[in-house]
Amino acid sequence: DGGITQSPKYLFRKEGQNVTLSCEQNLNHDAMYWYRQDPGQGLRLIYYSQIVNDFQKGDIAEGYSVSREKKESFPLTVTSAQKNPTAFYLCATSWSSGANVLTFGAGSRLTVL
Amino acid sequence: DAKTTQPPSMDCAEGRAANLPCNHSTISGNEYVYWYRQIHSQGPQYIIHGLKNNETNEMASLIITEDRKSSTLILPHATLRDTAVYYCIVRVGNAGGTSYGKLTFGQGTILTVHP
Repeated sequence: DGGITQSPKYLFRKEGQNVTLSCEQNLNHDAMYWYRQDPGQGLRLIYYSQIVNDFQKGDIAEGYSVSREKKESFPLTVTSAQKNPTAFYLCATSWSSGANVLTFGAGSRLTVL
Repeated sequence: DAKTTQPPSMDCAEGRAANLPCNHSTISGNEYVYWYRQIHSQGPQYIIHGLKNNETNEMASLIITEDRKSSTLILPHATLRDTAVYYCIVRVGNAGGTSYGKLTFGQGTILTVHP
């Protein structure tokens, strides 16, 4: 089945620790995105990547980092510099960077203790 | 991107049609209407989109008024699994430029389907 795999689904972290969220896709889509969702809120764009070895900051990139070494993978690292990291993180892909039809993963829920 | 207005919540009986409205009175001629839904604790799911003609797929129908200032998403036979938040988004098709992936998911409409 073609799709997006996000892992882990649930993650607990102590303050001051970095964590990396995985996003893998087998849709052969060029563009990949990371969004953050807080309870009762809409989605906010963290980072996006149009092609391998290229990525751009979204609206709330501070405290996050990404890499795009392979077309299939776009991991997100939540660093200790992110002041309020507890949230639901969603990875998405699209066939091109300008397309508005996005496919989303199931999400990863990060809780900072 | 044009601003959209949706009712905060709606109810529907199982098996009946669910009609979800969206107002987008400032829509431009090159902007499409997109619908997504998000079931609790899952990622959003694309449903359908259209420019000015009515559209139908296996999930839903999209009716856009002639003046394009509003639209309605129709789930013809709602089931309990259709309970979700439904988002109406208006955006230039294949936007590109500096707007990559910046779909604006607002508050949406919470649709509750009752047995």
